[in-house]
Amino acid sequence: KAGVTQTPRYLIKTRGQQVTLSCSPISGHRSVSWYQQTPGQGLQFLFEYFSETQRNKGNFPGRFSGRQFSNSRSEMNVSTLELGDSALYLCASSGGSLWGYTFGSGTRLTVV
Amino acid sequence: KQEVTQIPAALSVPEGENLVLNCSFTDSAIYNLQWFRQDPGKGLTSLLLIQSSQREQTSGRLNASLDKSSGRSTLYIAASQPGDSATYLCAVQGSGSRLTFGEGTQLTVNP
Repeated sequence: KAGVTQTPRYLIKTRGQQVTLSCSPISGHRSVSWYQQTPGQGLQFLFEYFSETQRNKGNFPGRFSGRQFSNSRSEMNVSTLELGDSALYLCASSGGSLWGYTFGSGTRLTVV
Repeated sequence: KQEVTQIPAALSVPEGENLVLNCSFTDSAIYNLQWFRQDPGKGLTSLLLIQSSQREQTSGRLNASLDKSSGRSTLYIAASQPGDSATYLCAVQGSGSRLTFGEGTQLTVNP
């Protein structure tokens, strides 16, 4: 059974640009969540999608957005990149709260 | 607002030692608690999931306990090995679908 796949693994972007990250969940999982990990703030919840609908949202500015497609694949977009957006972005999928979350390997975003 | 604290922040032990990592949370209304391992620059690997109705879970040399009423969980690692060196993260899931993470315990097992 394939795990959670995140692409790309690494990205380098310039301030002011926008970026799109992709996440393919485990087959059959309808919930996809996104987290940002930085040395200073640790792991912080961005948002969660379930059956193409945003079900939960963390405390991030509107520059951070996401969507989910009918096949449960999810994308996350960050517009007008800032240096502080440099982080490891992790995606997790779940088949329900009884089963916990499975994380992908992450996308390392560096903003220069 | 749920807050999760992990103690100690870092731990260095000789190979073969048994060790305990601690996790505490402020809101006992949780659905489950999950322990993860993270190697440098990598994603999270799930180690153990404890449902709110359970008291403990075991997998190999790992045993995790949950005391929901006191807001505490422990991860016990038996006979530690150098390959166990990593950061261990505790996360709780409340009524929403989000996980709230602790800051982690950075474990080093010396040969």
